[in-house]
Amino acid sequence: AQTVTQSQPEMSVQEAETVTLSCTYDTSENNYYLFWYKQPPSRQMILVIRQEAYKQQNATENRFSVNFQKAAKSFSLKISDSQLGDTAMYFCAFMKHPVAAGNKLTFGGGTRVLVKP
Amino acid sequence: DSGVTQTPKHLITATGQRVTLRCSPRSGDLSVYWYQQSLDQGLQFLIQYYNGEERAKGNILERFSAQQFPDLHSELNLSSLELGDSALYFCASSVVGNGNTIYFGEGSWLTVV
Repeated sequence: AQTVTQSQPEMSVQEAETVTLSCTYDTSENNYYLFWYKQPPSRQMILVIRQEAYKQQNATENRFSVNFQKAAKSFSLKISDSQLGDTAMYFCAFMKHPVAAGNKLTFGGGTRVLVKP
Repeated sequence: DSGVTQTPKHLITATGQRVTLRCSPRSGDLSVYWYQQSLDQGLQFLIQYYNGEERAKGNILERFSAQQFPDLHSELNLSSLELGDSALYFCASSVVGNGNTIYFGEGSWLTVV
């Protein structure tokens, strides 16, 4: 079974600065997907970024980027130019590939990010 | 807006009662997932359906059941409710090939009193 670990329960960052969230996972699979989801105070789950394990290039979505280290089974999220709206809980998640019926997301415990003005 | 619709958004009910949560997946998505998020816990996978068939089961209690209908909407039935069942219940959907991304609805808040 896959496990996902987020070792930082809470982090704070000043507005406009950069923060990096850690995520490690354990799997025997070679092909899989990794995700970061954001959950703001509204509790909605919002996809932030996605990474395919077969791609060596790190994914980037605007101010969000990842550092994917497959050998180390590490998948960190960097938030650049932090904004007040980035305040949220961030979840790292793993999914086996190929995604067919029967696959699911396995989530880490989450990291609470507080952006201070 | 993720395209996944859940109803009701909020629900308050008494212990011992039974409730049904409904989910309409994104257009074209065949897979539906149900997750539970309690106040002090992360997201727990409950069950997945694919095109009407159950495909994966997680930590779903025997008092809970789900199904996916021919029109692909899904219902999660929670019975003999206990205080500990109070949680946010998410439905999510995905389609194979769309980057294998799972999109979540806004959730149904269940409070058992």
